[in-house]
Amino acid sequence: ETGVTQTPRHLVMGMTNKKSLKCEQHLGHNAMYWYKQSAKKPLELMFVYSLEERVENNSVPSRFSPECPNSSHLFLHLHTLQPEDSALYLCASAWGVDSPLHFGNGTRLTVT
Amino acid sequence: DQQVKQNSPSLSVQEGRISILNCDYTNSMFDYFLWYKKYPAEGPTFLISISSIKDKNEDGRFTVFLNKSAKHLSLHIVPSQPGDSAVYFCAAQAQTGANNLFFGTGTRLTVIP
Repeated sequence: ETGVTQTPRHLVMGMTNKKSLKCEQHLGHNAMYWYKQSAKKPLELMFVYSLEERVENNSVPSRFSPECPNSSHLFLHLHTLQPEDSALYLCASAWGVDSPLHFGNGTRLTVT
Repeated sequence: DQQVKQNSPSLSVQEGRISILNCDYTNSMFDYFLWYKKYPAEGPTFLISISSIKDKNEDGRFTVFLNKSAKHLSLHIVPSQPGDSAVYFCAAQAQTGANNLFFGTGTRLTVIP
């Protein structure tokens, strides 16, 4: 399998649930990202990991918690989300923080 | 405050004709610009980029033009093909670092056979 793989593709969760989004990259990249895409809004950067260390946290609420156990895997742990958190969550990887991003197909999250 | 703007949410073009997608930016510190293409149910894929030291970059049917004085860039697709139908995102970066990459809201291109 090649590229950037995200699971699940769709997720519906209640406001009191705890769930995790998973991302895996098979490109040998050393930087991984979480982006949020809401309707009619630009992609918003949430977190950046470079060499498994978090280098950016764009004022994201603590109900979103990232984890990068190694350079190939990235998780986004979700708890106590709000309906306005419903969006497409995209994972991306790159050769360092200045190279073009390679995106996964995203997880469509709906919070009820 | 959006620093990268794509003012046309959609564009329709006949197959074989030229598609021109536009992007404006406000931050004069941006020095690297990218276009991404997104099909439904897929993530964006990198298409073409341009550095601020150039005013044109070409890759096959795709050409990006940069007008720094106008803070404007455009993507030309010639000739347009039905497979080019997708959402195109413009992105701009200032200096270095992932936190300096800003995206536009996208333009949906439809190429009519």
